[in-house]
Amino acid sequence: EVQLLESGGGLEQPGGSLRLSCAASGFTFSSNAMTWVRQAPGKGLEWVSTISSRGDRTYYADSVKGRFTISRDNSKNTLYLQMNRLRAEDTAIYYCAEFVGTGYFQHWGQGALVTVSS
Amino acid sequence: QSVLTQPPSVSGAPGQRVTISCTGSSSNIGAGYDVHWYQHLPGTAPKLLIYGNTNRPSGVPDRFSGSKSGTSASLAITGLQAEDEADYYCQSYDNRLSGSVFGGGTKLTVL
Repeated sequence: EVQLLESGGGLEQPGGSLRLSCAASGFTFSSNAMTWVRQAPGKGLEWVSTISSRGDRTYYADSVKGRFTISRDNSKNTLYLQMNRLRAEDTAIYYCAEFVGTGYFQHWGQGALVTVSS
Repeated sequence: QSVLTQPPSVSGAPGQRVTISCTGSSSNIGAGYDVHWYQHLPGTAPKLLIYGNTNRPSGVPDRFSGSKSGTSASLAITGLQAEDEADYYCQSYDNRLSGSVFGGGTKLTVL
C-alpha cells in the first residue's frame, strides 16, 4: 500500500522559514517524480513544485519561485520542501503527491498545515 | 482566478446524472495536454478519479467518466450517491506557465 506522510508543518512568522518532509513507502520512490500541492483556507488546489525522479530537474509555480526549494533523498525515500521568506498567503495545507504518467498525481498524503502569522 | 474554469457548484438528487465542466485555453487543454480529475473531501487526501482524460484507476466505480474536446473537458457522474458529495477538481499542464494547473473546484451537493 502506498503511503505518503507529511511532517514539519506549524506556525511561523512572516519572513520565517519552515521545512516540510514527506516520507514515502509502498512504491519505488526513486522511480517517480514527486510534487507538492497546497490548499489555502477556503480556496482550491494549487500546484507548488515538482521534482524529477533523480532530483536533477525542478519546477516551481511563480508564486513560490525564488523562495521555496524542493529536494529529495532517494536513499531515505523522503521528499522535502524548504520554504523561506514565508508570507501570510503561504498559509495552507501542503500535500505531497506522486507525479506520474501524462502529468497526474496518483497518490497523495494527508497534508501538513502551515500557518504564517505574526 | 484559476487557469482552468469550473462551475463553483452543481447538485443532483440520488440516482441522477450530473456533469462538471472544465474550460481551458490554447496553452493547456487546447494544446493537447491531458486532463485529470480528483475528488476531495475536506480534511482528507485528494483522490485521483480520472486520468488521461478518460481512464479510471482501479477501484473507481464506472459511474464516473471523463471526456475531452477542444479546449474543454467534462466529468460525468451517473447514479448519484450520497457519498459522492465532495469537491471535484480538474487538472492539466499549461505550457505558458510551464507547470501543472488546476480548476477552481466544483462542490457537488447530493440533494
